Amino acid sequence: EDQVTQSPEALRLQEGESSSLNCSYTVSGLRGLFWYRQDPGKGPEFLFTLYSAGEEKEKERLKATLTKKESFLHITAPKPEDSATYLCAVHEGGKLIFGQGTELSVKP
Amino acid sequence: NAGVTQTPKFRILKIGQSMTLQCTQDMNHNYMYWYRQDPGMGLKLIYYSVGAGITDKGEVPNGYNVSRSTTEDFPLRLELAAPSQTSVYFCASSRTGRDTIQYFGAGTRLSVL
Repeated sequence: EDQVTQSPEALRLQEGESSSLNCSYTVSGLRGLFWYRQDPGKGPEFLFTLYSAGEEKEKERLKATLTKKESFLHITAPKPEDSATYLCAVHEGGKLIFGQGTELSVKP
Repeated sequence: NAGVTQTPKFRILKIGQSMTLQCTQDMNHNYMYWYRQDPGMGLKLIYYSVGAGITDKGEVPNGYNVSRSTTEDFPLRLELAAPSQTSVYFCASSRTGRDTIQYFGAGTRLSVL
């Protein structure tokens, strides 16, 4: 059965303290791994798509990387406005399978 | 550009009542999806549609029904509401299944008491 597992469930950082979020997956033939950001009371907002091992994408303080078994979302020098829940999902048969998310809190 | 619009934003139902959650998109996307999100559980796919007149079950379809008569609209029907259906419901759309950047609505928070 295809599975997506994110860790940690929650992460508290001080402003400027860099860290990484993990997304591990087991799918029969990856066709894309997606990262979304979700703010409280809102729908998920697309961040990145990664398709092959070794691929990297960056946006402001965020960088997503992909291996054959997992993806990392690296957050460099985070700011309080980066506080949100970060979701990863894998593409399987035209549908997305989501992990449970990592709730990130960045304190000033 | 409105994107994906969901109504209502909040609703409280009594056990056994029925209701329809509305979802409309103005991006001319073929694919539309309904998810539910429970605390700490991520998003679970309820139903999806690949085009007008075509729908299929997702991971958790029991207790729900959908229809897709137009490209823009994809309503979700709850029949005989149960407390287990208390959740936040999200509608999403994408241009194709392969180009699966899904765009989400703001959600409907439903409580069944």
